[in-house]
Amino acid sequence: GAVVSQHPSRVICKSGTSVKIECRSLDFQATTMFWYRQFPKKSLMLMATSNEGSKATYEQGVEKDKFLINHASLTLSTLTVTSAHPEDSSFYICSATQGTSGRPSIFHEQYFGPGTRLTVT
Amino acid sequence: KNQVEQSPQSLIILEGKNCTLQCNYTVSPFSNLRWYKQDTGRGPVSLTIMTFSENTKSNGRYTATLDADTKQSSLHITASQLSDSASYICVVSAMNDYKLSFGAGTTVTVRA
Repeated sequence: GAVVSQHPSRVICKSGTSVKIECRSLDFQATTMFWYRQFPKKSLMLMATSNEGSKATYEQGVEKDKFLINHASLTLSTLTVTSAHPEDSSFYICSATQGTSGRPSIFHEQYFGPGTRLTVT
Repeated sequence: KNQVEQSPQSLIILEGKNCTLQCNYTVSPFSNLRWYKQDTGRGPVSLTIMTFSENTKSNGRYTATLDADTKQSSLHITASQLSDSASYICVVSAMNDYKLSFGAGTTVTVRA
């Protein structure tokens, strides 16, 4: 159980275009999903936290207009990189957790997706 | 500031040998510590999770230890296999904070 999928696994796009990454919890309802970014040989950096049906909470330094997050259902969150540039090339990982009342719980495990490799040319 | 530091940054071992990875943290107040295995180009997969009262936890050939007093943890890999080649990440949670503190990981390469 507790499987999280991401689609696509790899995407190459041209500079200036937008790309959407999907994160799905396959066998549980995820009240909270997290989006991370990971550079080579670096640790995961939290970009934003999204709760189903409400606006995402972005970490300091993350542009919310550039990284649009939508958490429309309890099993799906999407990250859209708008007007992508080569510096946006990275490995994007989502995670999902079950909380209560739409708030993430420290007692619930975060289950990670397999990641999406974005390359902007 | 909550920080997690791992050592070594990378290591190479021969198949069948053992190795130990280290994790030091300053996360406070401490809730739990997890070790994840991350294969290249994949998401992290949980190996062990330990709370304050637990000193040792095993998952097959992986054994994690925790010393909450010195804020140190280790992950021991026994009889390494080629499939153990991956990055191993130490992740610490603080009480009353759902955000996780990640170490940079130790890259393990197992050679035949």
